[in-house]
Amino acid sequence: DAKTTQPTSMDCAEGRAANLPCNHSTISGNEYVYWYRQIHSQGPQYIIHGLKNNETNEMASLIITEDRKSSTLILPHATLRDTAVYYCIVRVSGSARQLTFGSGTQLTVLP
Amino acid sequence: DVKVTQSSRYLVKRTGEKVFLECVQDMDHENMFWYRQDPGLGLRLIYFSYDVKMKEKGDIPEGYSVSREKKERFSLILESASTNQTSMYLCASTLDRGRISYEQYFGPGTRLTVT
Repeated sequence: DAKTTQPTSMDCAEGRAANLPCNHSTISGNEYVYWYRQIHSQGPQYIIHGLKNNETNEMASLIITEDRKSSTLILPHATLRDTAVYYCIVRVSGSARQLTFGSGTQLTVLP
Repeated sequence: DVKVTQSSRYLVKRTGEKVFLECVQDMDHENMFWYRQDPGLGLRLIYFSYDVKMKEKGDIPEGYSVSREKKERFSLILESASTNQTSMYLCASTLDRGRISYEQYFGPGTRLTVT
């Protein structure tokens, strides 16, 4: 799986959009970009994934650059409950292998 | 909604005890995983299973065994608990590898302390 780079930490005001960047410059053509998050003392939670088109679900939007070397996870209206470590992962499609998390971004939503 | 449940959120055991951690998923997923998560070491795979009665070792299987007698249930067994097995244990499940892409669903975790 390709390596990813994320900022160590970010703050966001409650109610504002949180934009979390991820660099994956060595991504290959059959690798998807996945985002998970982990709230303190809980199991990781799947958020969203995409290949090359932008994706949106009830939790977030994923914007992938045209060259696919970077992406941004957007939480449109951050709440205090969105405070968590956010992990960006790139994985081959159809892979049943285990997940490997990097260090992720600690997002703190401030009141 | 996919649900992965684990038998305990917190567990305290003594050195040498046999420990059973249970995981159940309700989405008919073929694949199930047991990880442990430790500060600074990230997520490490202990064992996984592609089907009933099938199991494969992950990166750190020593001191652990698993059992998958039914599709929905995957058990992790610490044969003789040791203090270095104090950790957060996470179970996950996912659809069959035949899908184009899929996500892993995690349980809430079991924080095990071995004294």
